[in-house]
Amino acid sequence: QVQLVQSGAEVKKPGASVKVSCEASGYTFTNCALHWVRQAPGQGLEWMGWINTGNGNTKYSQKFQHSVTITMDTSASTAYMELSSLTSEDTAVYYCARQISYTSSWFDFWGQGTLVTVSS
Amino acid sequence: QSALTQPASVSGSPGQSITISCIGTSSDLGAYNYVSWYQQHPGKAPKVIIYDVTDRPSGISNRFSGSKSGNTASLTISGLQAEDEADYYCMSYRSTPSWVFGGGTRLTVL
Repeated sequence: QVQLVQSGAEVKKPGASVKVSCEASGYTFTNCALHWVRQAPGQGLEWMGWINTGNGNTKYSQKFQHSVTITMDTSASTAYMELSSLTSEDTAVYYCARQISYTSSWFDFWGQGTLVTVSS
Repeated sequence: QSALTQPASVSGSPGQSITISCIGTSSDLGAYNYVSWYQQHPGKAPKVIIYDVTDRPSGISNRFSGSKSGNTASLTISGLQAEDEADYYCMSYRSTPSWVFGGGTRLTVL
């Protein structure tokens, strides 16, 4: 069965960076793109960016273009999202989500979410 | 990049039908039939309930239906049940490529 398992909760100080992992299982990793979505407390979903796991190409939302880096380790079937120069506004739950195929645009499986808290 | 526009809240009684709108632009909803809807219960990850405007994934009740006209997509839930109380988000593909969510709608079952 398809699973996306994310790394655990993090507490970071302002100005630091955080790297969240998303380990995929139950399917061929390179067949489906992975996206990162965040949700601030009490707020809605926000698309951050994605990685084409077939060739490593990435695309980021304009908002996160200068602060987020998405990478992958194909051998570990794992994608990573690194967010730099953290501020309190980055306190949120971060989700990875699988795009069902490169010819479709919806997300069929989601990770459990990783809470990142930014506090001095 | 502005989010898609959804009403903040809707409500209905058990058995009734409700509709949630999602307003976009000619660059997203108006340009592509790549609209999906997600249901999110408190503390849980989102779950897809509609994709490609009208299609339902396996296991999703036919009480959920989707439609689109121009720059506006809609989610209708018929025969409301207590378990439908949740947050609902629309999402659309945009060119470049990128994706955008709606601001979310809180559904209350009275």
